[in-house]
Amino acid sequence: EDQVTQSPEALRLQEGESSSLNCSYTVSGLRGLFWYRQDPGKGPEFLFTLYSAGEEKEKERLKATLTKKESFLHITAPKPEDSATYLCAVQAPSWGYQKVTFGTGTKLQVIP
Amino acid sequence: GAGVSQSPRYKVAKRGQDVALRCDPISGHVSLFWYQQALGQGPEFLTYFQNEAQLDKSGLPSDRFFAERPEGSVSTLKIQRTQQEDSAVYLCASSVLAGMNTGELFFGEGSRLTVL
Repeated sequence: EDQVTQSPEALRLQEGESSSLNCSYTVSGLRGLFWYRQDPGKGPEFLFTLYSAGEEKEKERLKATLTKKESFLHITAPKPEDSATYLCAVQAPSWGYQKVTFGTGTKLQVIP
Repeated sequence: GAGVSQSPRYKVAKRGQDVALRCDPISGHVSLFWYQQALGQGPEFLTYFQNEAQLDKSGLPSDRFFAERPEGSVSTLKIQRTQQEDSAVYLCASSVLAGMNTGELFFGEGSRLTVL
């Protein structure tokens, strides 16, 4: 069974204090790994897609990296507006389409 | 509209009532997913449509849950004889792609169901 594990469950950072979130996965035939951001009361919002080990994507203070077993979301000099839950999802073959399975998320709080 | 629209945003049901949750995906999007999200948890897969075909319903928790997308656009998730454990946010997501790579999913804001 496909599994996606995120750590830590929650993370509290001071503004400007860089850190990383982890997403480890066990799937057969990974087709893509996604990072989403979810604000309270909202649906997840797409951030990045990574397709192969060694790939990196950047957007403002966020950088996502991928290895064969895990992905990291690096947050550089975070600001309070980066506070949200960050979800990792993997896409792998299932029943003729690419099923998307989510992890439980990391709740990030950035303190001014 | 420009995004995925879900209605109602909030629904309170008495135990045993039937409910219907609606999803209007982005126009032209082929793939449509339903997810269930409990408080503090990640979205859990319920079912997947490619156009009007329901290709996977393996995540539906019981036969009280039923989903349809008869014309390949709007989808409805129906829950019969609701139970307290059905209380959750139900998220709908759509994608322009299908098959081998559904790519980025666009989510609605969800329908929060509370069963008393």
